[in-house]
Amino acid sequence: DAGVIQSPRHEVTEMGQEVTLRCKPISGHNSLFWYRQTMMRGLELLIYFNNNVPIDDSGMPEDRFSAKMPNASFSTLKIQPSEPRDSAVYFCASSTRYSPLHFGNGTRLTVT
Amino acid sequence: AQTVTQSQPEMSVQEAETVTLSCTYDTSESDYYLFWYKQPPSRQMILVIRQEAYKQQNATENRFSVNFQKAAKSFSLKISDSQLGDAAMYFCAYRSEDGNKLVFGAGTILRVKS
Repeated sequence: DAGVIQSPRHEVTEMGQEVTLRCKPISGHNSLFWYRQTMMRGLELLIYFNNNVPIDDSGMPEDRFSAKMPNASFSTLKIQPSEPRDSAVYFCASSTRYSPLHFGNGTRLTVT
Repeated sequence: AQTVTQSQPEMSVQEAETVTLSCTYDTSESDYYLFWYKQPPSRQMILVIRQEAYKQQNATENRFSVNFQKAAKSFSLKISDSQLGDAAMYFCAYRSEDGNKLVFGAGTILRVKS
């Protein structure tokens, strides 16, 4: 079991550029979560999917953020256009209904 | 909506001593799950311990144990025989019975002194 795999581990980009973060959940897990972590706001749930379907995206900050899960083994979080205030660590996590969430190692995003 | 409160932004403990981290939560549900996660400087989120609300017995994992008080909506973490490797940010988290969402507290930084 390779765990939840996120890429890239670090991303540095300029304001206005498009950023795509990727996540491969653990095989057999049917729930996938995207979190954002900042010093000011802690861990915030952005969106979560059940069986590839977005269930609650109320945590997505604004229309610049979008997330997709085209199949059970892949999800993306896209920011377009990126802004300096988007700088944070973005975590992907997966689980079954009754299991704890298993987290990836996160992507540290820096927008200059 | 469920909320999780960790009232201790930072705690310190001497190596080999015992420390307790506090967590309270607010919910109207009767069945749910509670977790403690550890985040060391590597930023990995590591599951420390879990507790099902329907179980009265407090969960224990080696040096880590919880004091789960359902009526008081309290879920504290006790670390015995503290080690330098226990130094990290600790997050308390709540998950509803339907499995959707995981709500985190603000975290407690634990420092271990040698």
